[in-house]
Amino acid sequence: SQTIHQWPATLVQPVGSPLSLECTVEGTSNPNLYWYRQAAGRGLQLLFYSVGIGQISSEVPQNLSASRPQDRQFILSSKKLLLSDSGFYLCACLKWNRQGSSYEQYFGPGTRLTVT
Amino acid sequence: EDQVTQSPEALRLQEGESSSLNCSYTVSGLRGLFWYRQDPGKGPEFLFTLYSAGEEKEKERLKATLTKKESFLHITAPKPEDSATYLCAVQGGTGGFKTIFGAGTRLFVKA
Repeated sequence: SQTIHQWPATLVQPVGSPLSLECTVEGTSNPNLYWYRQAAGRGLQLLFYSVGIGQISSEVPQNLSASRPQDRQFILSSKKLLLSDSGFYLCACLKWNRQGSSYEQYFGPGTRLTVT
Repeated sequence: EDQVTQSPEALRLQEGESSSLNCSYTVSGLRGLFWYRQDPGKGPEFLFTLYSAGEEKEKERLKATLTKKESFLHITAPKPEDSATYLCAVQGGTGGFKTIFGAGTRLFVKA
């Protein structure tokens, strides 16, 4: 089965500082990977998704960017954080389950970012 | 525009009181509808994927069903440990593998 690692678990950063969040996936190859942000008490907002190395689709044209340097590594970055970037950041992968003949999406434990 | 709406926003049940959560969606060419459970401070936990109208899937006290416009998550004889936020999401339309989430239903089950 696949495992998704995210770090750090929590992060407090000042406004204007850079950001780098890392996500790595084990137990599957060539997964579709996703970055989501969840504000307190809200649903998940899709930020980026990737169907392969170097292939990034952006859903949010803000000060965030994503990169996929390796098959099972997905990185979320910012050059200058804003107060509005605070939230719970989740990485996910989409996997094909042969037994159930269905796609399943699994999430990492998340990174809670507070911008002060 | 692809859209997912969940209702109610919050649901309070007594232990053993069965009920249903609703997920209405608008997407052309549904690739899949997903249900998740999320506990506070944690990432969502995958529950089910549904693909076509009439499909049903079950897991313990949970059963998910799908029509052409909505999905229901039925909870039979809930227990306090079923308390969580339940999220619905869809893939489809022009978005391909893009996943759109609803805002979720917060379920509280009282002993």
